[in-house]
Amino acid sequence: GAVVSQHPSRVICKSGTSVKIECRSLDFQATTMFWYRQFPKQSLMLMATSNEGSKATYEQGVEKDKFLINHASLTLSTLTVTSAHPEDSSFYICSAELLTFSYNSPLHFGNGTRLTVT
Amino acid sequence: GIQVEQSPPDLILQEGANSTLRCNFSDSVNNLQWFHQNPWGQLINLFYIPSGTKQNGRLSATTVATERYSLLYISSSQTTDSGVYFCAVEGGNTGFQKLVFGTGTRLLVSP
Repeated sequence: GAVVSQHPSRVICKSGTSVKIECRSLDFQATTMFWYRQFPKQSLMLMATSNEGSKATYEQGVEKDKFLINHASLTLSTLTVTSAHPEDSSFYICSAELLTFSYNSPLHFGNGTRLTVT
Repeated sequence: GIQVEQSPPDLILQEGANSTLRCNFSDSVNNLQWFHQNPWGQLINLFYIPSGTKQNGRLSATTVATERYSLLYISSSQTTDSGVYFCAVEGGNTGFQKLVFGTGTRLLVSP
C-alpha cells in the first residue's frame, strides 16, 4: 500500500530556532500534501494544503511566515517552523494525496513529528 | 465549514465487551475515513467508507450518508484497541481530499 514517511519523528529545539520537518511519499507521486497539527488531547487541525510547484494554501489563523511550506517535487513536502516558541510545541502530521486519486481512495498519513520547544 | 462531532468523547470497556462509536457530520461528504490513533500518535487507517457497510475482523463500520452519520463497531474488544478513534470527512468541492477530523473518542480497554 501507499506509504508516507515523515522525518524526524521527534525533535527538541530551543526557543528562537527553526525546525524543518519532511514528508515523503515513498511509492507514489503526490501533487498535494496536507499538514495537520494536534495539541495534546485534541483533534487534528488542518494547517495548510501543499501543492507541488506552487504556493501553499493556509487555513485561517495559520501564520504563513511562521510555518513555511515547500513542495518542490512530487514526493517531498517540507514544513519549517521558523523562530519556534514553546507554544509551537505540538504533534505535526502530514498526509499525501495520490496523483491519480479518485474519491474511492483513502488518504495516507505519515507517522507524525512531535516537536518540543524549550 | 463542515462540522464533525463524535460520541461518546470517552469510553471505558472491559476486555471482551462490544462498543459502538458514532460520528455525525453537518453536510454531505465525498470521503469518510475512520482512524485509530495509537499511544505513539500513529494514525492507523481503519476504513474508507463514504457510504455503506464494511467489515474487517472484529471491526465494522456503517455510513448512512443521507442521514449524515457513521458508526464504528468494535466487537470483543482487546487492550490493544485502546487509543483515540477519529472519523474524518471531506465535503464540498475543494477538488482535494482535504479531511476535517472529528472530535474523537478516547477508548480505554482494561484487562
